[in-house]
Amino acid sequence: GEDVEQSLFLSVREGDSSVINCTYTDSSSTYLYWYKQEPGAGLQLLTYIFSNMDMKQDQRLTVLLNKKDKHLSLRIADTQTGDSAIYFCAVSNDYKLSFGAGTTVTVRA
Amino acid sequence: NAGVTQTPKFRILKIGQSMTLQCTQDMNHNYMYWYRQDPGMGLKLIYYSVGAGITDKGEVPNGYNVSRSTTEDFPLRLELAAPSQTSVYFCASSTGNEQFFGPGTRLTVL
Repeated sequence: GEDVEQSLFLSVREGDSSVINCTYTDSSSTYLYWYKQEPGAGLQLLTYIFSNMDMKQDQRLTVLLNKKDKHLSLRIADTQTGDSAIYFCAVSNDYKLSFGAGTTVTVRA
Repeated sequence: NAGVTQTPKFRILKIGQSMTLQCTQDMNHNYMYWYRQDPGMGLKLIYYSVGAGITDKGEVPNGYNVSRSTTEDFPLRLELAAPSQTSVYFCASSTGNEQFFGPGTRLTVL
């Protein structure tokens, strides 16, 4: 599979914005995804962006895509304690997904 | 809709034993997938299927087998369990773009 890289940890204060970054290697990826995993649970699709878009906003979530640099980011506005989880970046190729290792986000009061 | 269901939730196997992890979806999705998640790692694709009767290998297929006799079911078979297969296994289904995941099966091989 292709390489998908994420930073492993992020600590953020409640009410601040969180930014999670991801880089990938395959420029032919058609869809790029953000999934959330809470402890002991499966993966929940948060949002995704088509490769011909630069930005997508969905309530508190903003996804930015820089195709030239193969860089994807997820911004969570007004981060809440319920946002504490592992966030996975994934990129698609031919209906298969390649995942990053996940970023553990800890929200502190 | 129940979505994607997996059984069992937990299982402990001895080295050399075999077992089948069950996965069922009720969304009439053509695509189904099996992943494993090791601690601190992302998900790795084991096998996938694009429809009943069609399966193909993913990134880490060794030690596993699958079948897809119906649209709904996609079981994963471990024939000779090894400690390296200790992991959390996730099944997913998709229409093509969005993958929906089951709750996972936590497997320990001792």
